Amino acid sequence: DTEVTQTPKHLVMGMTNKKSLKCEQHMGHRAMYWYKQKAKKPPELMFVYSYEKLSINESVPSRFSPECPNSSLLNLHLHALQPEDSALYLCASSQSPGNTIYFGEGSWLTVV
Amino acid sequence: EDKVVQSPLSLVVHEGDTVTLNCSYEVTNFRSLLWYKQEKKAPTFLFMLTSSGIEKKSGRLSSILDKKELSSILNITATQTGDSAIYLCAPANSGGSNYKLTFGKGTLLTVNP
Repeated sequence: DTEVTQTPKHLVMGMTNKKSLKCEQHMGHRAMYWYKQKAKKPPELMFVYSYEKLSINESVPSRFSPECPNSSLLNLHLHALQPEDSALYLCASSQSPGNTIYFGEGSWLTVV
Repeated sequence: EDKVVQSPLSLVVHEGDTVTLNCSYEVTNFRSLLWYKQEKKAPTFLFMLTSSGIEKKSGRLSSILDKKELSSILNITATQTGDSAIYLCAPANSGGSNYKLTFGKGTLLTVNP
């Protein structure tokens, strides 16, 4: 079982809604990641937090806003999304940058 | 731009067969290569390989990296229906706080009874 916990597992939201995806890990990992995965495609990196600081933003649209309140938590705030943003959003963590990355179960997002 | 090519893209075998999955890569500041198995949920970690060339084994699965050829293989012996999944290869750079994985498109393995 993964030790990276994501909530909610499923989310349906309208294009004018504001929602958040949450991720938590208690492994003491200091690097956390958000990936987006469309159907039949590999995961694509969105953001990397290293020691609670944003270190990588892969040119993600501003309607996606990450937040790392502390070393165990990672949020992804969603606002004014488009239907094409519907995907599986994967949170992951590693002990530190450079170590094995472990994924959570993901949050299935549908934008209507 | 980093490149990862996995082959074959899909493979259908019968239980008991042995399969070899391939991954070739071009990554700036290569550090390691990871293999993941993905069923209908999140990727699960299989192996991490480095330029040391040491083979990794776990049960019927094994993997090795050829740093000269910039490639890696994942072998599965005596396949079972439970091995049916997408196998993802992901080389990682060594960019410190810029560390990240670049995923290949994956190999879809189907093991028939």
